Amino acid sequence: DVQLVESGGTLVQPGGSLRLSCAASGFTFSDHSLNWVRQAPGKGLEWVSSISETGTYTYYADSVRGRFTISRDNARDSLYLQMNSLRADDTAVYYCARRGAASLGNYYYYYYMDVWGKGTTVTVS
Amino acid sequence: DIVLTQSPLSLPVTPGEPASISCRSSQSLLHTTGHNYLDWFLQRPGQSPQLLIYLASNRASGVPDRFSGSGSGTEFTLEISRVEPEDVGVYYCMQALQSCTFGQGTRLEIK
Repeated sequence: DVQLVESGGTLVQPGGSLRLSCAASGFTFSDHSLNWVRQAPGKGLEWVSSISETGTYTYYADSVRGRFTISRDNARDSLYLQMNSLRADDTAVYYCARRGAASLGNYYYYYYMDVWGKGTTVTVS
Repeated sequence: DIVLTQSPLSLPVTPGEPASISCRSSQSLLHTTGHNYLDWFLQRPGQSPQLLIYLASNRASGVPDRFSGSGSGTEFTLEISRVEPEDVGVYYCMQALQSCTFGQGTRLEIK
């Protein structure tokens, strides 16, 4: 089965740091780009960060740029999110999501979030 | 930033009846490839989101054909032809043309 399992979420004080992990199985990890998406308690979904298949390209939401770092280890089939200078508004369930790809022709691809983990909870308080 | 506005925010539906959710974008989501960069997700209670529709009208693998997506530019619609009890949850649209943003969600409940 294709699976993503997040871990590392916990209670942390404001200003603290945390590293989230996402372990993948059931597919060729290095073939896929990946996302982190979060959901604050009782709120909607917010994209956090993306990373390309080799880790060369990374992208961040304005709300976390400069504080969070996304990375991956293709040898370990794992995705990471290093979170520094944490604030109360970073409190959320953090999901990792695989990006599937659809060919649009002319070397264009569209990437969609086709597999999600169950999430890990980060509480900043 | 592109803002997505969903309506209604709450949608009570009788099983077997159709349902429709609107997603309006502050900017056109039509890419130069001719495709609209909009997806739909369902988050069932206590679960993580699942992809329903990508590129506005393409059903994801394993999604029942009672779900369909339509629209172009700034106006999009998710339709459920006959609602079933397992369709309960919050539906989100998401744009991927500029970075990535989600709508605020539409909660579907069974009457």
